[in-house]
Amino acid sequence: DTEVTQTPKHLVMGMTNKKSLKCEQHMGHRAMYWYKQKAKKPPELMFVYSYEKLSINESVPSRFSPECPNSSLLNLHLHALQPEDSALYLCASSQDNLAGYYEQYFGPGTRLTVT
Amino acid sequence: QKEVEQDPGPLSVPEGAIVSLNCTYSNSAFQYFMWYRQYSRKGPELLMYTYSSGNKEDGRFTAQVDKSSKYISLFIRDSQPSDSATYLCAMSAVGGAQKLVFGQGTRLTINP
Repeated sequence: DTEVTQTPKHLVMGMTNKKSLKCEQHMGHRAMYWYKQKAKKPPELMFVYSYEKLSINESVPSRFSPECPNSSLLNLHLHALQPEDSALYLCASSQDNLAGYYEQYFGPGTRLTVT
Repeated sequence: QKEVEQDPGPLSVPEGAIVSLNCTYSNSAFQYFMWYRQYSRKGPELLMYTYSSGNKEDGRFTAQVDKSSKYISLFIRDSQPSDSATYLCAMSAVGGAQKLVFGQGTRLTINP
């Protein structure tokens, strides 16, 4: 089973709201990723976690705050977003990312609209 | 110049045709090559993964990597309307925490 789940499927939030996106995998993967995808564009990497530690932050604004409470869960906390942050937010996981290469499996995404 | 170039299409072919999708790249450090399929408003689904040069076949899908030309291809045989989607190539270098570099994606439509 190569399933990554994401909740919620859709989210509409105002610019002053605080919300969180959740990602879960039960494949025993130790690397997890957040991507942002705008319409008709490829996914853009935001954050990488390796063994529950943040290893890469692609210069993402601080209004996005990732959290990895355990090896199966990844959260993305959102605060004071802008309308241009509206996008599909994708979570992915891979077995490892410290040695060799392991395939990344994506979740279905959360479609976020900021009003 | 982008690290990975992929013709965005759109590409429209009749059912049963052989489809060829391609990407070129400039970074010779790329060793891992992937093809993802993404249906509208869904997450990308891993189709094929190849390490270094060579061919890999899985059912109706064949992935080819030519590192000397920095060129990768995905062939779809006996194309079906259900193959209509956006196809993304992606690449990664050895090490580097497996950062994927994606092509722009090619929108493919298979007409019944």
